[in-house]
Amino acid sequence: DQQVKQNSPSLSVQEGRISILNCDYTNSMFDYFLWYKKYPAEGPTFLISISSIKDKNEDGRFTVFLNKSAKHLSLHIVPSQPGDSAVYFCAASPQYNQGGKLIFGQGTELSVKP
Amino acid sequence: GAVVSQHPSWVICKSGTSVKIECRSLDFQATTMFWYRQFPKQSLMLMATSNEGSKATYEQGVEKDKFLINHASLTLSTLTVTSAHPEDSSFYICSARSGLAGGGRTDTQYFGPGTRLTVL
Repeated sequence: DQQVKQNSPSLSVQEGRISILNCDYTNSMFDYFLWYKKYPAEGPTFLISISSIKDKNEDGRFTVFLNKSAKHLSLHIVPSQPGDSAVYFCAASPQYNQGGKLIFGQGTELSVKP
Repeated sequence: GAVVSQHPSWVICKSGTSVKIECRSLDFQATTMFWYRQFPKQSLMLMATSNEGSKATYEQGVEKDKFLINHASLTLSTLTVTSAHPEDSSFYICSARSGLAGGGRTDTQYFGPGTRLTVL
């Protein structure tokens, strides 16, 4: 039972354009969401997070949008750069989980072409 | 800030031997550390949650006698793969979560660079 889903395994974008990575979840108890970026043979790097009390959080070129009614979040990268090419994971945490366990999606591989 | 290191970064061992992987939080105290493994082209699979000073909590399907976890201090957790077999070959990643003073909540995990284990 995949509670966090990233339905697009890959995405290709031209440099300078917007990259939009999507993530859907099924558990309405999730109230904290994170995006991580991962290069091959490295650990994931934290990018940005959002709490369910917000619908948008912005940090430089990265913006995360949360639509609670649709149980959907997205990561926007503007403008996209070749160095953004990596696998992006979304993750969610339920409000009852004080242990801090995160549920990860399957990842989307972003390729930004010069 | 929030740097997590892992050692070794890669290891090759013979079948039947044991391998220990260390995970350290370098600039913060980690009340909880997590161990994941990742197969090629797949997501991160949580193996266990490690709390300082207590027994680790293993996910369903993960053999606790095979994957021994010790969280001896607030900055160090170790994963020992005992009697390793070729099917244990994988990329093992740890993460650390810091506790907030005053009981606040943070669910941001900071990941180590990973350890590539190859069992011959």
